[in-house]
Amino acid sequence: DGGITQSPKYLFRKEGQNVTLSCEQNLNHDAMYWYRQDPGQGLRLIYYSQIVNDFQKGDIAEGYSVSREKKESFPLTVTSAQKNPTAFYLCASSQGVGNQPQHFGDGTRLSIL
Amino acid sequence: QQPVQSPQAVILREGEDAVINCSSSKALYSVHWYRQKHGEAPVFLMILLKGGEQKGHEKISASFNEKKQQSSLYLTASQLSYSGTYFCGTGPRGNDYKLSFGAGTTVTVRA
Repeated sequence: DGGITQSPKYLFRKEGQNVTLSCEQNLNHDAMYWYRQDPGQGLRLIYYSQIVNDFQKGDIAEGYSVSREKKESFPLTVTSAQKNPTAFYLCASSQGVGNQPQHFGDGTRLSIL
Repeated sequence: QQPVQSPQAVILREGEDAVINCSSSKALYSVHWYRQKHGEAPVFLMILLKGGEQKGHEKISASFNEKKQQSSLYLTASQLSYSGTYFCGTGPRGNDYKLSFGAGTTVTVRA
């Protein structure tokens, strides 16, 4: 069954630590996205990638980094520069060019220790 | 810029109707609608790509008024399964994949 897998489901970060959230898709989608969700604020775009080896900053990229070395994988690193990382992180993917439905993973909840 | 959704929350009894609005200060070329149940991933409902277009998903339908820069989602004869938070995402023209999502409207349907 095709889909998007995010891991881990829960993650705890210590002060000054970088953590990496995994996102893998087997839908053969070209585009992938990372969103941050805080209560009452909807989904805010962190980074997105249209093709392998290329990605663009979204609206709140500061303190985050990504890579897109393989079509199926788009990991997100939350760096120590991100001072308020506690949130629900969602990965999504879509196929093709232009407006296509986005398919979401089940999310990773990140908390500060 | 983030679209504005209204109302923020609505409580319905089974069988009642509701309307959720999504407005943008910029020209709209497409509108996506998603529903998210508590603790779960958002699920795609529909995309509207042309001004005036209307679509439906079971008894949930949507319209897109390009001139008013607004889309509306209609929940008709609501069911308990309609409970969740509804998000609109507005997209620019062309090949840009970037969507801007509204803050969401929480719908609670009670028996």
